[in-house]
Amino acid sequence: GENVEQHPSTLSVQEGDSAVIKCTYSDSASNYFPWYKQELGKRPQLIIDIRSNVGEKKDQRIAVTLNKTAKHFSLHITETQPEDSAVYFCAASRNSGNTPLVFGKGTRLSVIA
Amino acid sequence: EAQVTQNPRYLITVTGKKLTVTCSQNMNHEYMSWYRQDPGLGLRQIYYSMNVEVTDKGDVPEGYKVSRKEKRNFPLILESPSPNQTSLYFCASSMGLLRGEKLFFGSGTQLSVL
Repeated sequence: GENVEQHPSTLSVQEGDSAVIKCTYSDSASNYFPWYKQELGKRPQLIIDIRSNVGEKKDQRIAVTLNKTAKHFSLHITETQPEDSAVYFCAASRNSGNTPLVFGKGTRLSVIA
Repeated sequence: EAQVTQNPRYLITVTGKKLTVTCSQNMNHEYMSWYRQDPGLGLRQIYYSMNVEVTDKGDVPEGYKVSRKEKRNFPLILESPSPNQTSLYFCASSMGLLRGEKLFFGSGTQLSVL
C-alpha cells in the first residue's frame, strides 16, 4: 500500500520568511495530493491540493509542487505570518480501486513574530 | 450548514466498558472514515466506508468496529476499550474520495481510557 513520508516534523521560521514542507510517496499510481492544516485544538482543513496532471499550483501565499518522477511533492508558504502556525499534513491517494487517502505524520510549523 | 457532527467531544471511561462515538454528516457524502491522531504519528485511519453497507479496514482497525447502515451515520464502536486507545479521534466525510474530493472533518473526540 501507499506510504507517505513527511519532513521536517517541526519547523520554525521568522515572520515574513518562507517555509517549505516536503513529502515523498511510494505508490507510483497515486495521483491526488492534498495538504491539510490543523490549528491548535481544531480539526484539519484542506488548504490546497494538486493532481498528477499538474506540476505546480498556487493560491495566494501557498503553493504546491509535484515531481511525479521522483515521487515527491512540497508545500511552500511565502511571507509567513503568525496565523500560519499550525500542523500541516500531506496526503496521497489514487483515483481508482478501493484505496483510501494516506496521510504523512505532520509538520508542526511555528512562525515567530 | 454543511457539517460533520461527532459526539461526544470529550469522553473518559474505564477499561472494558463498551462505548460508541457517533458521527453524522448532512452533505449526502458517500465516503466516511475514522482516524485517530496521536502525537508524532499523524492521522492514522481506523476504518472507512465507500458507501452504505460497505466498510473496510484502515491501518489500525484492531479493537474497533464500525457500521454504515445509513448514508449519513458512521458510528465507531469500542467493544472493550483499553488504555492504548486513548487518543483524539476524528470522523471525516467526502463526496467521493476516489475522485479526489475534499475531506470534511468533524470537531474531534478526545477519548481517555483509564
